[in-house]
Amino acid sequence: EDKVVQSPLSLVVHEGDTVTLNCSYEVTNFRSLLWYKQEKKAPTFLFMLTSSGIEKKSGRLSSILDKKELFSILNITATQTGDSAVYLCAVKVEDDKIIFGKGTRLHILP
Amino acid sequence: EAGVAQSPRYKIIEKRQSVAFWCNPISGHATLYWYQQILGQGPKLLIQFQNNGVVDDSQLPKDRFSAERLKGVDSTLKIQPAKLEDSAVYLCASSPHSSNQPQHFGDGTRLSIL
Repeated sequence: EDKVVQSPLSLVVHEGDTVTLNCSYEVTNFRSLLWYKQEKKAPTFLFMLTSSGIEKKSGRLSSILDKKELFSILNITATQTGDSAVYLCAVKVEDDKIIFGKGTRLHILP
Repeated sequence: EAGVAQSPRYKIIEKRQSVAFWCNPISGHATLYWYQQILGQGPKLLIQFQNNGVVDDSQLPKDRFSAERLKGVDSTLKIQPAKLEDSAVYLCASSPHSSNQPQHFGDGTRLSIL
């Protein structure tokens, strides 16, 4: 059975800290790995990763994929209170099927 | 580009009643997904459509849940009869077929069962 596991499940840090969120997966027919940020509404897209070792970056957020070890990390540097959210990792497999992890709930203290 | 539209935003019903949700995907997106997200958990796929055909409905509780996408565009998800454990946010998402593009989500329908 395909599965996506995120860790930690929750994390509390102070504003300005750097955080690393983890996502490991066991799937057949891997196509891509996606990161989403979910605040009070729908998940919003952050990154899509298809190749190992190529970092994707957007402002203070970055992510990288390791297809040999079957994991990805999402880094957030110089965290701000607006980064407080649930971060979801998902893996896309054949037939456009997408499997989500349970998410990491991140809370940034001012 | 208009996003994924869902309605209603909120719904409160009593157990054993029926409820229906509507989703209009982004124009041109062949793949449409319905997810159930229970508080504190990640989205769980209920059903995936490719145009008007079902790709995956393995996690859809078919004794009470049904979904259709008759013309391959908008879709409805129905629950009949509702149970207390159906309280959740129901998210609709869409994406182009077999593409390296992510899916885009609607704002969801928050369902509360009394």
